[in-house]
Amino acid sequence: NAGVTQTPKFQVLKTGQSMTLQCAQDMNHEYMSWYRQDPGMGLRLIHYSVGAGITDQGEVPNGYNVSRSTTEDFPLRLLSAAPSQTSVYFCASSRLAGHNEQFFGPGTRLTVL
Amino acid sequence: AQTVTQSQPEMSVQEAETVTLSCTYDTSESDYYLFWYKQPPSRQMILVIRQEAYKQQNATENRFSVNFQKAAKSFSLKISDSQLGDAAMYFCAYRRGIQGAQKLVFGQGTRLTINP
Repeated sequence: NAGVTQTPKFQVLKTGQSMTLQCAQDMNHEYMSWYRQDPGMGLRLIHYSVGAGITDQGEVPNGYNVSRSTTEDFPLRLLSAAPSQTSVYFCASSRLAGHNEQFFGPGTRLTVL
Repeated sequence: AQTVTQSQPEMSVQEAETVTLSCTYDTSESDYYLFWYKQPPSRQMILVIRQEAYKQQNATENRFSVNFQKAAKSFSLKISDSQLGDAAMYFCAYRRGIQGAQKLVFGQGTRLTINP
């Protein structure tokens, strides 16, 4: 049981480049989400999904796209990276019912030059 | 919209002493959950403790306990017998109590240093 995995751990992009941050979970969780962490601002929700084929925007969705074709995977796409997207990105997952504790991945540190 | 505020950007404590981290929140709802997460230098987010708003009893997990004041919308974390491994960023977070409402709202974080 690997929990929530994220790849890559580190990434450097140039302005305008595109990339996909990968997130996968093996706990059969319905809910998955992406947060970004910036100094002095805590974690802010980017996008989330309550099941395959269902996604919705969080607090800071601009510049990011998501899709959920399977229960296990929830990739985050940056279509045209900007320096303002330099941040640490966390993926999290949980059940929708019960105690539904959220489990976080190890994070991806992204730098956009 | 719900907001969570941590007014202490940094705190320090001597090893074996007790420290309290503050958190206030704003919500118009009566049913919700509050959490404290620990983020060590490894960056991993670790759930420390959870409090359900409908429970009057303060949650406790070993050396970690909370002081939940619902009317004051305050949720502080007390760490007793501080250990070097407690050094980390600590985040307070809020979640609505509605089934399926999973979105977490985080505070800004408090960096805790443990002095040997």
